[in-house]
Amino acid sequence: GENVEQHPSTLSVQEGDSAVIKCTYSDSASNYFPWYKQELGKGPQLIIDIRSNVGEKKDQRIAVTLNKTAKHFSLHITETQPEDSAVYFCAASDSSYKLIFGSGTRLLVRP
Amino acid sequence: DADVTQTPRNRITKTGKRIMLECSQTKGHDRMYWYRQDPGLGLRLIYYSFDVKDINKGEISDGYSVSRQAQAKFSLSLESAIPNQTALYFCATSGGGGEKLFFGSGTQLSVL
Repeated sequence: GENVEQHPSTLSVQEGDSAVIKCTYSDSASNYFPWYKQELGKGPQLIIDIRSNVGEKKDQRIAVTLNKTAKHFSLHITETQPEDSAVYFCAASDSSYKLIFGSGTRLLVRP
Repeated sequence: DADVTQTPRNRITKTGKRIMLECSQTKGHDRMYWYRQDPGLGLRLIYYSFDVKDINKGEISDGYSVSRQAQAKFSLSLESAIPNQTALYFCATSGGGGEKLFFGSGTQLSVL
């Protein structure tokens, strides 16, 4: 089955700097790659996703890139703000409506 | 009101006890999921259901069972709880042709 690895486990950046979180997946049949943000005491919420027919997608300060050949995908957050502090999860799916998640990255944005 | 409601929010129980976590949704979604969150291990899929008569095991189903009582209700049971089942449990739903998951607020379970 699918296995998703996520790095780093923790990331601390200065406000205004960029943050990058990376994931790799094992199943070449996976074709949907979402990113979820989990704030303290809440359930995860989808912030951006990408499908395998697209190499990059942007939404304001966040972007996701996908390298199908290498089975890598990454989340990029620019101009980080304190409210970006949270746990971020990547995930992968082969369109079976079953998401397999990475281990999570705790992002701290220092004011 | 929340679209995906989990009860209870917190539960402390003892080893060997039977416990049920409940999930209800008002989103009209067909698909419902139970995930477990542990520090450093992310979210792991326990069971999922695509409609009332469909139940499937996920990555870590041993020690758990589920019941889909109605389209809107999906409960998770631990028949005989053990300490390594201490975790944060999330219910989630998705519907239509989309793969976006909508999560509840979670149930923190502690097994002593």
